[in-house]
Amino acid sequence: SQTIHQWPATLVQPVGSPLSLECTVEGTSNPNLYWYRQAAGRGLQLLFYSVGIGQISSEVPQNLSASRPQDRQFILSSKKLLLSDSGFYLCAWSVGLAGENEQFFGPGTRLTVL
Amino acid sequence: GDSVTQMEGPVTLSEEAFLTINCTYTATGYPSLFWYVQYPGEGLQLLLKATKADDKGSNKGFEATYRKETTSFHLEKGSVQVSDSAVYFCALSDGNTGGFKTIFGAGTRLFVKA
Repeated sequence: SQTIHQWPATLVQPVGSPLSLECTVEGTSNPNLYWYRQAAGRGLQLLFYSVGIGQISSEVPQNLSASRPQDRQFILSSKKLLLSDSGFYLCAWSVGLAGENEQFFGPGTRLTVL
Repeated sequence: GDSVTQMEGPVTLSEEAFLTINCTYTATGYPSLFWYVQYPGEGLQLLLKATKADDKGSNKGFEATYRKETTSFHLEKGSVQVSDSAVYFCALSDGNTGGFKTIFGAGTRLFVKA
């Protein structure tokens, strides 16, 4: 069966510090991978998605970046965090090209920037 | 572009009450429609889906019918329980245009009182 892991589960970082959040998927090959941010009490904002190793599409220009060094690993990074980067970060995966396929979400990382 | 609009919350109901959460969409193609649920502190999980007009998705007593004529996918449940308290997201994915992406509504928070 497929599983998706995210770490850390919670993170408190000062403004201006770097960030690295990791997501890994097990039990599937060549998944589409996604990073979302959910601000408190709000919906999901798609940040990045990837359809293959080294292929990253950015949805919202900002101080975050993403990388996919391996087929089932997706990393979200920042060189300098802003207060507005606080939120709940969700990684997700799906398979196939058809739009009817569901997305499977990880447990999330809660980031607080102080 | 594609979009999803769902009713604002929070929605507060007593146990065993009838639930309706409205969702309408705009899409250029023929999207698949989804309802996801997010329990406190967790990631999202798929509740139900429908892939073509007039399809009815159902799961755990919840159901929603894909209405192309009204571009709607309203979520209903005949008798809610306290354990249904969560945030519900309506979503679409259009395989014809950018099928890798899922567009989410803003979410509707449901509180069920005992």
